Amino acid sequence: NAGVMQNPRHLVRRRGQEARLRCSPMKGHSHVYWYRQLPEEGLKFMVYLQKENIIDESGMPKERFSAEFPKEGPSILRIQQVVRGDSAAYFCASAIRTGAYEQYFGPGTRLTVT
Amino acid sequence: AQTVTQSQPEMSVQEAETVTLSCTYDTSESDYYLFWYKQPPSRQMILVIRQEAYKQQNATENRFSVNFQKAAKSFSLKISDSQLGDAAMYFCAYRSDQETSGSRLTFGEGTQLTVNP
Repeated sequence: NAGVMQNPRHLVRRRGQEARLRCSPMKGHSHVYWYRQLPEEGLKFMVYLQKENIIDESGMPKERFSAEFPKEGPSILRIQQVVRGDSAAYFCASAIRTGAYEQYFGPGTRLTVT
Repeated sequence: AQTVTQSQPEMSVQEAETVTLSCTYDTSESDYYLFWYKQPPSRQMILVIRQEAYKQQNATENRFSVNFQKAAKSFSLKISDSQLGDAAMYFCAYRSDQETSGSRLTFGEGTQLTVNP
């Protein structure tokens, strides 16, 4: 039973480019969370999605960031016109249902903006 | 809004000894969950232990145990018989039991644990 998969593991983008981060939840999980970890900091919640719905995006920056979780395929976190401050590790976690005890984390995508 | 504070940026312990990592949190809710996650150099987040706020008994998982003091809003992690593989960043996390909070985790800033041979 494969765990949460994220790709790419490392992504380098120049300022102004777009970054697309993908997350495939564990089999049977329909709830996905995205977190961002800036250097030397803890993880910060960004967005919570269920299939085809954004449930809570209170942690997402208002501009340039968007997320989706389509009926088929992985969840995508999209960052437009990246800036140096977007350099961070982005983690995806999945859960089988709302209120589930545990969120299972993927290995993260490390985004570097040059 | 809930906050989680880890006041020890770094801790060290000798192999086979015991170490306690501190965590305090602030919430007005009565029902919630607390977690300790481990992040080794690989950066993979690994769940170490979970505590439900409604349970008075402290959670235990092998060499890992917690001291949960609900009134004091304190949730410390004790690692017994420390091993070299325990070296990692440890994060304390809070999760509301309210539907409106959507089950998101609120993390502390982390404690870097070094295990000395």
